[in-house]
Amino acid sequence: DGGITQSPKYLFRKEGQNVTLSCEQNLNHDAMYWYRQDPGQGLRLIYYSQIVNDFQKGDIAEGYSVSREKKESFPLTVTSAQKNPTAFYLCASSSGKGKQFFGPGTRLTVL
Amino acid sequence: SQQGEEDPQALSIQEGENATMNCSYKTSINNLQWYRQNSGRGLVHLILIRSNEREKHSGRLRVTLDTSKKSSSLLITASRAADTASYFCATDAVNSGYALNFGKGTSLLVTP
Repeated sequence: DGGITQSPKYLFRKEGQNVTLSCEQNLNHDAMYWYRQDPGQGLRLIYYSQIVNDFQKGDIAEGYSVSREKKESFPLTVTSAQKNPTAFYLCASSSGKGKQFFGPGTRLTVL
Repeated sequence: SQQGEEDPQALSIQEGENATMNCSYKTSINNLQWYRQNSGRGLVHLILIRSNEREKHSGRLRVTLDTSKKSSSLLITASRAADTASYFCATDAVNSGYALNFGKGTSLLVTP
């Protein structure tokens, strides 16, 4: 069953904590992406990676970090430097330019 | 940056009616895509139209693209209650690498 998975579905963070969101795909896609979505808003690009061991900052990378050690995995860490992390986080993958496949999302709430 | 802007922000229609959503963007693009998002879920790709295409169909969906006006429209014909969702346009700007720019979306409500 091919697809893209994210975990956990819900995540709660205390102030000052770093948390890591998981994103895994078995679609053999080279490119992976992280987006943030706030209520009633569109998606804003945090980071993206076109190939293993390489990634680029998106529009709102401050307070976030990523790694791309394996083609299948693109974890996102929300650091304590991100002052307003409460949001819905979406991971996506693609074989290149064009259609992106999205995971089900992780809802992060700061307590 | 959010390049696409959808209009209207919200749309309410009855089953069987057609729904039209519009998207405007700012810079030259390689292609434009439309995605659908059910509440609290991930996005699902609906259709992609390339910059050299003017119209594209997929089932009950019809997309048009006018690059001179930097605008696109998505028409859903014979709407069903199951079409209730948010719809987003996304643009792939020239020289932007692989990144997509999404608009804020149109929230469509189809009532039985």
